[in-house]
Amino acid sequence: AQKVTQAQTEISVVEKEDVTLDCVYETRDTTYYLFWYKQPPSGELVFLIRRNSFDEQNEISGRYSWNFQKSTSSFNFTITASQVVDSAVYFCALSEEETSGSRLTFGEGTQLTVNP
Amino acid sequence: NAGVMQNPRHLVRRRGQEARLRCSPMKGHSHVYWYRQLPEEGLKFMVYLQKENIIDESGMPKERFSAEFPKEGPSILRIQQVVRGDSAAYFCASSPLQRAGMYSPLHFGNGTRLTVT
Repeated sequence: AQKVTQAQTEISVVEKEDVTLDCVYETRDTTYYLFWYKQPPSGELVFLIRRNSFDEQNEISGRYSWNFQKSTSSFNFTITASQVVDSAVYFCALSEEETSGSRLTFGEGTQLTVNP
Repeated sequence: NAGVMQNPRHLVRRRGQEARLRCSPMKGHSHVYWYRQLPEEGLKFMVYLQKENIIDESGMPKERFSAEFPKEGPSILRIQQVVRGDSAAYFCASSPLQRAGMYSPLHFGNGTRLTVT
């Protein structure tokens, strides 16, 4: 069975600091997909990134970067030079190819607070 | 191109009443998923439906909860005789037809916040 663990329940930083959100996953599939979603205080889910299990290249998008390490089953998310608008709950999620449809298993989320 | 539409955005029900949550998938999407987010928790899968079929309901509570996705019209998540513990945000997501070997991403709606008083 699949599982996603986000060990950090809450993180608080000061603006302009870098912050890394950890995500560890468990799966028996060889083909799977990993995701990060952002949930701002307004409550909607904002898709940030999807990676498949065959692509371990790290990715950078502006101030966001992702580090996928199959050897440690981790998919960590780093925000560089954090801003107050980054304050949100961030969810890591996993989808296995063999699972029904595009069903996602979510972690419990990390509440990030960026203080001015 | 409208996204996944959920209504109502907020719903208040007294204990014992029924709650009906609606989800219109993105145009061209034939698969719908419902997730529940309890306060301070992550999203938990409830049910996966195609038109007129329930594919996977392994996350649905055994009693009082039901879901449908009729041939015409939105998908409905129905909660009978609501209790305070049903207070949560309910998210719907949709995806297109699944093709072997290809991943079809989920598109989420903005959720319905159910409050049971």
